[in-house]
Amino acid sequence: QQQVKQSPQSLIVQKGGISIINCAYENTAFDYFPWYQQFPGKGPALLIAIRPDVSEKKEGRFTISFNKSAKQFSLHIMDSQPGDSATYFCAASKSGTYKYIFGTGTRLKVLA
Amino acid sequence: GAGVSQSPRYKVAKRGQDVALRCDPISGHVSLFWYQQALGQGPEFLTYFQNEAQLDKSGLPSDRFFAERPEGSVSTLKIQRTQQEDSAVYLCASSLRPHLGGEQYFGPGTRLTVT
Repeated sequence: QQQVKQSPQSLIVQKGGISIINCAYENTAFDYFPWYQQFPGKGPALLIAIRPDVSEKKEGRFTISFNKSAKQFSLHIMDSQPGDSATYFCAASKSGTYKYIFGTGTRLKVLA
Repeated sequence: GAGVSQSPRYKVAKRGQDVALRCDPISGHVSLFWYQQALGQGPEFLTYFQNEAQLDKSGLPSDRFFAERPEGSVSTLKIQRTQQEDSAVYLCASSLRPHLGGEQYFGPGTRLTVT
């Protein structure tokens, strides 16, 4: 299976709150999991990425949690700001193929 | 440095017309990818180049779609006899070290509308 399932489809969070977006995958051969942020009219921009050999990776306010046994990973945005309002995509790829399989996206709105 | 650039940013084509979309990758990036992003969806892989070699074209939806990268730098995605279902944003991405799971850097995309 090549699918990556992403939820929720949309999310509204108060300023200062925590935004949580979840992704699940089927193919155990996937070994690279990036998250991208996309603003309207722009291309996706890499936020943070993780490999299956670690369970968590943190960069500033962004954290990826990875559960290999459950085949799930999630993005946590701490202290969410209105400027974080965008669409977020998870993706997965496997060595040797390089192409990304993207989730369907989560539209995040952070209220001021 | 300069990022990935794409042109045109917007293209309107009548059904049946041919279109050509251009991608200028980041200088020095050997790998180049094309993705198609339908409205409200995630990008879907179309094709992949390593230098001038097209190593994977499994995502091209039909033989009306053709991509090339003759000198291993600029790439062109051509769509012949466009159909309404071809309307989407076409994204180009480049990568320096994809074999190490290296990041893909995306351009702003070309929004194609077929009327």
